[in-house]
Amino acid sequence: DAKTTQPPSMDCAEGRAANLPCNHSTISGNEYVYWYRQIHSQGPQYIIHGLKNNETNEMASLIITEDRKSSTLILPHATLRDTAVYYCIVRVVLGAGGTSYGKLTFGQGTILTVHP
Amino acid sequence: NAGVTQTPKFRVLKTGQSMTLLCAQDMNHEYMYWYRQDPGMGLRLIHYSVGEGTTAKGEVPDGYNVSRLKKQNFLLGLESAAPSQTSVYFCASTDPGQSGLAFFGQGTRLTVV
Repeated sequence: DAKTTQPPSMDCAEGRAANLPCNHSTISGNEYVYWYRQIHSQGPQYIIHGLKNNETNEMASLIITEDRKSSTLILPHATLRDTAVYYCIVRVVLGAGGTSYGKLTFGQGTILTVHP
Repeated sequence: NAGVTQTPKFRVLKTGQSMTLLCAQDMNHEYMYWYRQDPGMGLRLIHYSVGEGTTAKGEVPDGYNVSRLKKQNFLLGLESAAPSQTSVYFCASTDPGQSGLAFFGQGTRLTVV
């Protein structure tokens, strides 16, 4: 799986959009970008994933650059409850080939602090 | 639908004791994983299983054993606990039919003294 690089920490004011960047310059053509978050002491929680098109769900939006070497997770209206560690992960989707067996390789992630 | 449930949630062991952590999922997922997380670090994969009766080593398997006798359960065993195994353990499951996104349990906080 491709390696990712994220800033160690970011701050955001409550109600503002939080934009979390991720670099994955060695991403392969069949690798997806996944985002998870981990709120203090809890298990990681899936947020969103995408291949090359921008994606949006009820939690967030994912913007992937045209060359797919970087992406941005957007929380449109951050709340205090969004304070967490955010992990950007790239991997082959199960069934799309390869032998990753869905293993998730976690880096250090970005600590997002939302303040009043 | 409980998702992924880990038992126990907390445990204190003495060095040399053994114990088994249980992970149960009710989503009929094929793949299951055990991770550990140490303070200030990301999750590291210990062992994983791609189906009932099969297991494989992850990146930090030493000192641990696993079994997947039933599809819904994935057990992590510590035969002789060491202080270096003090950590928070997370179980996860996923399935090819669900875009491969993983569901995690709430963790087991283990302290070895």
